[in-house]
Amino acid sequence: NAGVTQTPKFQVLKTGQSMTLQCAQDMNHEYMSWYRQDPGMGLRLIHYSVGAGITDQGEVPNGYNVSRSTTEDFPLRLLSAAPSQTSVYFCASSFRQAVGELFFGEGSRLTVL
Amino acid sequence: AQSVAQPEDQVNVAEGNPLTVKCTYSVSGNPYLFWYVQYPNRGLQFLLKYITGDNLVKGSYGFEAEFNKSQTSFHLKKPSALVSDSALYFCAVRDHQAGGADGLTFGKGTHLIIQP
Repeated sequence: NAGVTQTPKFQVLKTGQSMTLQCAQDMNHEYMSWYRQDPGMGLRLIHYSVGAGITDQGEVPNGYNVSRSTTEDFPLRLLSAAPSQTSVYFCASSFRQAVGELFFGEGSRLTVL
Repeated sequence: AQSVAQPEDQVNVAEGNPLTVKCTYSVSGNPYLFWYVQYPNRGLQFLLKYITGDNLVKGSYGFEAEFNKSQTSFHLKKPSALVSDSALYFCAVRDHQAGGADGLTFGKGTHLIIQP
């Protein structure tokens, strides 16, 4: 019963490098999203998707790209990492976007030097 | 725009005493309200939600929350706190009239510390 799986759990990057955070869910959820968590700021929505082939921006999308080629996978790409992107990233999915509860992954801790 | 406020960064409660974690919200229409809990180095876990109906909502681990429309509040409560309840708690809101498929807006979180 995997739920939402994120990889990697930890990553250190140098400024300017690119990388992809992977997210997969096995619950056949249509809605998937990426949040970042920073101390004292709660969670902020980066990008979300309401189904395969459909993505949209959240509150803080700059510097990130997403794609949704399948229902199961929703990778988050950092194009050119900056120290301001040092954060803990969470992927979450939901059966019903409006009223359904979110199921979260365990998080990916990213440090950009 | 939707927003949520958790006025207390930290709440300290003695084990066995009742606890309350406060949350107020702002939406244009009617709210969907949620509480989540986060244990150290873990993802968030759903506790309970208010969508419609009874203002008192019961959730996991003995927690409950009361929706108060006039005070725009959704405080989390538990009659008798356990040390294992110590964690970071997040309130979240979504305006059900929001035109786009935007996500939940989370509060900044409240650290709940239960002292033995």
